[in-house]
Formats: sequence, C-alpha cells, structure tokens
Amino acid sequence: GEDVEQSLFLSVREGDSSVINCTYTDSSSTYLYWYKQEPGAGLQLLTYIFSNMDMKQDQRLTVLLNKKDKHLSLRIADTQTGDSAIYFCAERSQAGTALIFGKGTTLSVSS
Amino acid sequence: DTAVSQTPKYLVTQMGNDKSIKCEQNLGHDTMYWYKQDSKKFLKIMFSYNNKELIINETVPNRFSPKSPDKAHLNLHINSLELGDSAVYFCASSQEGNVRPIGYTFGSGTRLTVV
Repeated sequence: GEDVEQSLFLSVREGDSSVINCTYTDSSSTYLYWYKQEPGAGLQLLTYIFSNMDMKQDQRLTVLLNKKDKHLSLRIADTQTGDSAIYFCAERSQAGTALIFGKGTTLSVSS
Repeated sequence: DTAVSQTPKYLVTQMGNDKSIKCEQNLGHDTMYWYKQDSKKFLKIMFSYNNKELIINETVPNRFSPKSPDKAHLNLHINSLELGDSAVYFCASSQEGNVRPIGYTFGSGTRLTVV
C-alpha cells in the first residue's frame, strides 16, 4: 500500500537552512504537498508540487522532487524561530483519493 | 470568516458516552474529510464525503458514523466512547472538481479526551 516516510526530528540554528526529507512508495503519486502544524493548531498548506515538476520555489521555501527515487525535500532558507513546527509531507495519486501523510518532522530552531 | 470550523475545540467525556463533533466549511468545496491525529502526531484518514456521498471509509470502528446533511457540513458521531478514541480530530475540505487539486484546507481540530 501507499506509505510516506520522514525522519522524525531536525534541529537547526537560526539563520541556517533546514532540509526536510520525505520518501514515498506510490509510483503513481501525482500530487505532493508540504503542510506545517504549529503547536495546538491545524495543518496549514505550505506548498505543493506536481509530479511533472522537478523544483518549485516560493520565497524562502524550495521543494525538490526526484520522481525516479520517489524523494521529496523541503528546504527552508534562513530558518527562523517561528519556523519551529511539525512539517508533514503528503501525497495523493489523483483527485478523489485521500491525502496520505507522513509521520511528520519536528523542526526545532534554536537562537 | 473562518474557512473550516469545527466545534467543539475541546471535548472531555467519560467512557461509554456518545458524542458528536461538527464541521462546517464556507469555501464552497465539494469534498470534506475527517482525519484522526494520535498522540504521536500521526494523521490517518477516516472518512471522505463528496457532495454528501461517502467516498472513502477507512478501517474505522463502526462506532464512528459520519453524517453530511449538505456539502458544507460533515459531522462525526461517536458511540460508546473508549479510552483509545482520545486524539485530535481534524476536519478538512477540498475542491475535487479542479483539474489540479491544490490541497486540503484543515480546521483547527477537536481535542477529544476520554476518561
């Protein structure tokens, strides 16, 4: 079945870049997403990428997709303490199917 | 002007009780979902409704019954609550009629504690 894997923790210093990695198993995954969850809050869509793209940049966020290796990464440039949160990778194969989430990566940013 | 709103935000109840969580979206989306987030923050899909019709029903005890009176509402009723039902329940919505689905909009969650 479908599976999405992420490392559980990442710790960085303020001002450094953070890279959060994700691997997925479903080769038919067409849509891939990154969500952010701050403590006590819901999930906020950060960015998304379609499988026909290799890279997407949005301000401090860069998403890289290696479809051959089924690997997705989220790079946050100039990481700030406000970026401390849980980051979820999610994928789906087509419209009408459920988003399958990874277990989330807790990003801790120290000043 | 909250996009996806859930009530209540917190729910503490005794084992064996029956409770409901309500969800409403004002985005005009055609599909709504319930996800369960456990104490380790793992998120799992429970149900999905498209235009009031059930389209996803994962392996969930039949004590959980979703109800969608219209496409803007998806409520979750839970019978005979058990300790293991304690979790945060998230409602979400999306517009699946788009050629390229942009993703789900989530509510802020309902923290259910069964004692």
